[in-house]
This record gives sequence, C-alpha cells and structure tokens, in this order.
Amino acid sequence: EPEVTQTPSHQVTQMGQEVILRCVPISNHLYFYWYRQILGQKVEFLVSFYNNEISEKSEIFDDQFSVERPDGSNFTLKIRSTKLEDSAMYFCASSHPSATNYGYTFGSGTRLTVV
Amino acid sequence: AQSVTQPDIHITVSEGASLELRCNYSYGATPYLFWYVQSPGQGLQLLLKYFSGDTLVQGIKGFEAEFKRSQSSFNLRKPSVHWSDAAEYFCAVGEYGNKLVFGAGTILRVKS
Repeated sequence: EPEVTQTPSHQVTQMGQEVILRCVPISNHLYFYWYRQILGQKVEFLVSFYNNEISEKSEIFDDQFSVERPDGSNFTLKIRSTKLEDSAMYFCASSHPSATNYGYTFGSGTRLTVV
Repeated sequence: AQSVTQPDIHITVSEGASLELRCNYSYGATPYLFWYVQSPGQGLQLLLKYFSGDTLVQGIKGFEAEFKRSQSSFNLRKPSVHWSDAAEYFCAVGEYGNKLVFGAGTILRVKS
C-alpha cells in the first residue's frame, strides 16, 4: 500500500536554529498537510497545500513557519528560528483527489526536540 | 465551530471483551469521518473511514464503526479485544480536500 514518507524520524536542534522537515506524499495525491502533536496532546492542524499554494493555515502557523514543494515529489516544512515550544511530533499527510475514494494518509512523523 | 469530542480519556477492558469508543462531532454538514490508531511514539494508522453509503463501516484489525446522523456520532467498536489493541485512538472529521479536526483521543488499556 502506498505510504507517506517522512525524514528524519528524529531531529534534535538548538533553540534559534532553522530546521527543515521533509515529506514525500503519495504520488497521485493532490492535497498536502502538516500537523503537529505536542507530547500527550491532540493532533493539531498546521497548514494545507494545494496547487502549489497554501490553501489554509492555522493560528499556529505563524511567520516562522513555511512550506514548499520544491519538486514533483517532496513537501517540506521549515521552521526558521526554533523555540522550545516547537518540540513536538510533526506529521505530514496527503489526501486522494477522488471524493468517492477519499483517502487521507499520514506519515510516521518526525519527532522534533528543541533544546 | 468544528469540533470532535471523545468523552473517554482512558478506557480499560479485559482481553476478549467487547469495546466501544465514543466519538461525537459538531460540523456544518456531514463530513468525512475517520478513526486512527496510534501506538506510543508512532504514527497515525487509519482504521476506517466513512463518507457515504452504508452507515456501518468495516475497518482493519476487526474494527467497525457506525455513523448515526441523528446523534452526530461515529462510535468505534470491536467484538473481542486483543492485548495488541492497546494504543491511543483518535476520531477525526473533515471535508474533502480540507484539514481534519481531531478529538483528544482515547487511551485503551487491555487487561490480561
């Protein structure tokens, strides 16, 4: 079964540093998303991306965050200057274009630890 | 505002017993409905989904869920729980092509 692939699985970074989280969505999916889950809390939506632009973003997705689809396969989340409170599991997801066969698949996540 | 309520934070069942995890949602229209399972430190695995048709849907690992429009509910059930089912379960709702809104999750513990 097709998968959403995320790299790295774990990342430790110093406060103030930039990080880039990478995702390879399922190849025929058209909608791409980033979510985060702070330890012990619910999964929260960050941003959705369609047709090479952001279609929706949450309050969490402020100016320090950005997303990009640099080529036909990768989808990245950049955090420009990390803060301690950015420590979380970050999930990439993609969804199928067919409304009648709608699949919404998550990657296995990147655990980001800011120290 | 869109919201998902999973009223049970923790549930403990004995191995072999039946299970029902509750999910209620508040949404403008009938959304797409999903149940995901997450083992500690792991990703989100899709158990099942519903968007139209038969209101009783079958998923993986022997799980099923029933959509009840009148109650805005999408409860997850399993007739006989296995120790390997211990995990956290998330209900999520959304529209086609849009974000999913997640519930707070229910942690399932299985007693042997």
